[in-house]
Amino acid sequence: DTEVTQTPKHLVMGMTNKKSLKCEQHMGHRAMYWYKQKAKKPPELMFVYSYEKLSINESVPSRFSPECPNSSLLNLHLHALQPEDSALYLCASSQDLTGGLQETQYFGPGTRLLVL
Amino acid sequence: DAKTTQPTSMDCAEGRAANLPCNHSTISGNEYVYWYRQIHSQGPQYIIHGLKNNETNEMASLIITEDRKSSTLILPHATLRDTAVYYCIVRALSSGTYKYIFGTGTRLKVLA
Repeated sequence: DTEVTQTPKHLVMGMTNKKSLKCEQHMGHRAMYWYKQKAKKPPELMFVYSYEKLSINESVPSRFSPECPNSSLLNLHLHALQPEDSALYLCASSQDLTGGLQETQYFGPGTRLLVL
Repeated sequence: DAKTTQPTSMDCAEGRAANLPCNHSTISGNEYVYWYRQIHSQGPQYIIHGLKNNETNEMASLIITEDRKSSTLILPHATLRDTAVYYCIVRALSSGTYKYIFGTGTRLKVLA
């Protein structure tokens, strides 16, 4: 099973709302990732967790707050977003960060976010 | 900065081989090349990866040049369902941790 699930599939929120995106995998992977993808652009890395610790933060604004409560679950908490934050948010996981097959990333279907 | 360069778009006739090139001239000696594809509005799907030798799996073949500065993904018998954006990816070191660097990708259209 190489499935990464993400909920919700779609989300519409106002600029004053607080919402969360959820990502789950049951492959025993110890690295998990959040990406942001704008239309017709490649995914851009936001955060990487390795063994439940934040490993990379790509200078993402603090209105995005990641959380990794356990090795299977990754959340992205959203607060006071701007319309330009509207995008497809992708979660991925890999066995670990040691390269080769171990770092092959498996992506979820994404959450399409619209900020009004 | 993207570490890979790919053609923006390509067309391929259904049933023919699709050859998608990628330049990664700054790749370091122990870094892998990964290929993914993204069908419209879905998450990227892993295809194949390689280090030095050519690789083949049930989806595709990967040919890596001897100097490792470029590679070609080959879909041997393209079907309409192979229409997608194909990304060639290498890792880069950032803050002590490696991360994928996505290039702009090649938009492959398979024509009936």
